[in-house]
Order: sequence, then structure tokens, then C-alpha cells
Amino acid sequence: IAGITQAPTSQILAAGRRMTLRCTQDMRHNAMYWYRQDLGLGLRLIHYSNTAGTTGKGEVPDGYSVSRANTDDFPLTLASAVPSQTSVYFCASSEIGNLNTGELFFGEGSRLTVL
Amino acid sequence: QQQVKQSPQSLIVQKGGISIINCAYENTAFDYFPWYQQFPGKGPALLIAIRPDVSEKKEGRFTISFNKSAKQFSLHIMDSQPGDSATYFCAAGRRGSTLGRLYFGRGTQLTVWP
Repeated sequence: IAGITQAPTSQILAAGRRMTLRCTQDMRHNAMYWYRQDLGLGLRLIHYSNTAGTTGKGEVPDGYSVSRANTDDFPLTLASAVPSQTSVYFCASSEIGNLNTGELFFGEGSRLTVL
Repeated sequence: QQQVKQSPQSLIVQKGGISIINCAYENTAFDYFPWYQQFPGKGPALLIAIRPDVSEKKEGRFTISFNKSAKQFSLHIMDSQPGDSATYFCAAGRRGSTLGRLYFGRGTQLTVWP
């Protein structure tokens, strides 16, 4: 069972370049999320999607965009990367509804360095 | 503004000892409090969670204590083992459609010495 698959695993990027982090899930969860993890700051929500076709802003959305064309895929795009976006990015999914236990299932992360 | 404050930042415990991590929150609308465990190079994974209608929840060696009036909750790891060495995050959120939108503490790096 793959769960959440993220790509790339790591990437070094020049400032000003465009970058898309990919996320795919095979659990048919209706909700998906992007978090960034920075040392000493924990995890912070960037964007989320409760269902295909809808997205919302999280705690730190500036400089990022997302799309949710179908249930399984939730890419995160940095239109013009800046050094402060150097971080480890985690995609996650969860079920929403009567069966919702609240558990987030995380991928293994994408480490992004912006120079 | 940090929605969830976590302490200590790091913790060293001897094998067999008790590890205690504390968290505090401000927003009284939060009604779901999970703990996540993260090993190096991996994503976080749910360890245990509690809702504010109970004061304690135990799963094996892991116990969450919850104090609604003080807006505090803590994780106790009994008989700590070297395999428990990881980073632990507390979090808070609201049930319903926003349940996956969590506010995380800054993390506690636990090291258990054999």
C-alpha cells in the first residue's frame, strides 16, 4: 500500500524559478493538505482541499498555489521561488465525514532548497 | 501567533523512565487534540488523540492527559524505550469539515538512552 506519494524527494532551485511539488494518494480520501515543516517552527498548513474541485488557504498560503482536478492528485506550485520557501514540504490526506477519525496520513516529504 | 505552545524543545530520558511533553492552547474552539510521532526522514504519523469530553486517554505505554480549564494537555510515555526516540508534535483542531486543518506545536525531540 503506497498511501501518499510525493515527488521529488529533494530539489535545489534557483530563486525566481517556478516549481511544482507533486502529491498522489491511493486511499480515495476526500481531503488533502500541504504542510511545510521548518526547524523550530513545527508544521504549518499552506493549503487544503476538502474535495476535488475545491481548495482553501491555510495558515501560510502566500507564494503558493494548489489545484485539485481529481481525488488523487494535489500539486503545490511555487510560481517564483524565494529563499524563505526553503523547507520540507509534506502532503497529507484524510477522510471527512461520518467515518472521520481525524487522522492525517502524511507522505515522506519533499525537501526544497531555494538559493 | 503560535496557536499551540509545546515544551520542552528537547528531552533526554533513560530507558525505562517516563517522558512528559506539555502543550497549551488559547483557542477554546479547538475540540480535537492529536499527537504525532515523526522519525528522521519520514512523515509524521498519528500516535494518539483526545477530545475534550475526557480527561485522559491511554493506549499502551502512551497516555494523554487533558485539562480543559487550564487549556493544557500532555503526553506521557511510560517505560520509555530507545525505539521511542523521535520528534513528537502536539496539535489542535476542530472537528467537522475542518478536522484535518491542524495547528501544530513546534515539536519535542525525544532521545531515550539505553
